[in-house]
Amino acid sequence: DAGVIQSPRHEVTEMGQEVTLRCKPISGHNSLFWYRQTMMRGLELLIYFNNNVPIDDSGMPEDRFSAKMPNASFSTLKIQPSEPRDSAVYFCASSRTSGKAGELFFGEGSRLTVL
Amino acid sequence: AQSVTQPDIHITVSEGASLELRCNYSYGATPYLFWYVQSPGQGLQLLLKYFSGDTLVQGIKGFEAEFKRSQSSFNLRKPSVHWSDAAEYFCAVVLTGGGNKLTFGTGTQLKVEL
Repeated sequence: DAGVIQSPRHEVTEMGQEVTLRCKPISGHNSLFWYRQTMMRGLELLIYFNNNVPIDDSGMPEDRFSAKMPNASFSTLKIQPSEPRDSAVYFCASSRTSGKAGELFFGEGSRLTVL
Repeated sequence: AQSVTQPDIHITVSEGASLELRCNYSYGATPYLFWYVQSPGQGLQLLLKYFSGDTLVQGIKGFEAEFKRSQSSFNLRKPSVHWSDAAEYFCAVVLTGGGNKLTFGTGTQLKVEL
């Protein structure tokens, strides 16, 4: 079975530009998570969805960040406008909700560099 | 404050030596406990988990972890480390009744000397 698929793997952009990161979860998984990883702050949960509905977005740093999940097989994380401090690796993960709390399957990440 | 603590940022062991990575949590109730591993340039992979019951849990790749309620700890162990175990290891928790929200520790970078 295919794992969690993220794109792009690497993105270099200039400050002020819009960035869109994409994620395809594992088929049959009904929870989806976006994490950000930096040296300074480690792994931070930005937002997670259950059955395509955002459940907890308390980790989204500010209004420049938005996430959507229009259907069970696709999610986006958008940053507009981007800033250098947004440089990080962004991970998408998915899981089944029932009976599998905490058992996440991660994608390989999208490394974002904002100049 | 509620937290997951991994006191060791870096650990170096020789191949074939035993390994123990420490994890402590600070929550009112015992959370669900996990260990994940991240190889360079990769996403995280679940090694093992503890929900309840037997306090010694076995995971993949020969790893095990022991839950000690009295010490609020969930340390990861391996009897004999292989060079391929070099990676970063994260302890994580889900609060009971907290849905599926996984909170990670700061990680321990493991280096294996040949």
